[in-house]
Amino acid sequence: NAGVTQTPKFQVLKTGQSMTLQCAQDMNHEYMSWYRQDPGMGLRLIHYSVGAGITDQGEVPNGYNVSRSTTEDFPLRLLSAAPSQTSVYFCASSYKGHGGREQYFGPGTRLTVT
Amino acid sequence: AQSVAQPEDQVNVAEGNPLTVKCTYSVSGNPYLFWYVQYPNRGLQFLLKYITGDNLVKGSYGFEAEFNKSQTSFHLKKPSALVSDSALYFCAVRVHNAGNMLTFGGGTRLMVKP
Repeated sequence: NAGVTQTPKFQVLKTGQSMTLQCAQDMNHEYMSWYRQDPGMGLRLIHYSVGAGITDQGEVPNGYNVSRSTTEDFPLRLLSAAPSQTSVYFCASSYKGHGGREQYFGPGTRLTVT
Repeated sequence: AQSVAQPEDQVNVAEGNPLTVKCTYSVSGNPYLFWYVQYPNRGLQFLLKYITGDNLVKGSYGFEAEFNKSQTSFHLKKPSALVSDSALYFCAVRVHNAGNMLTFGGGTRLMVKP
């Protein structure tokens, strides 16, 4: 199994540009999520999905859109990039369960917005 | 709302000495608590979790954590540190009513010196 994969690894955008961060998992996990990591702030939840066709907002959803058309894929779209979105983005997945299932993280995408 | 605090930005320890990385939490109801480790330029890896039962939880790579309900703490410990344990450590708690999604602490950098 490849686990959780993310593309691209690095990206530089200009303010106002849009782009999609890709995330895929091959473990048949029901739950998927996007986090952003900023120094000293840990990881913050952007959006999450508990199954195909179902998404919900996390702690910091503004400026981001998601969709979940298949179990495997969970892309994150930046609609109009801003310097405040400079961060490292992690996708994660886990099995559905009673809440004690650990999450599996992708390697991350480092995004710089100038 | 739940929250996690890691009061130390960095912990320094000599190789072979015991280590402790501190974590306190605030949740309503019973907490589901996790520790993750992040090596440079990598995604997060699961170390251990507390859901219920024995207050001392054992995890990967010789790490363990002690759940203390009265002090709302979940400190990470290891009896004998290795240089290879040097990494960024995150404590996390499950987000209420959001599947297996997590709220993370700000992270603690562990430096183990030879």
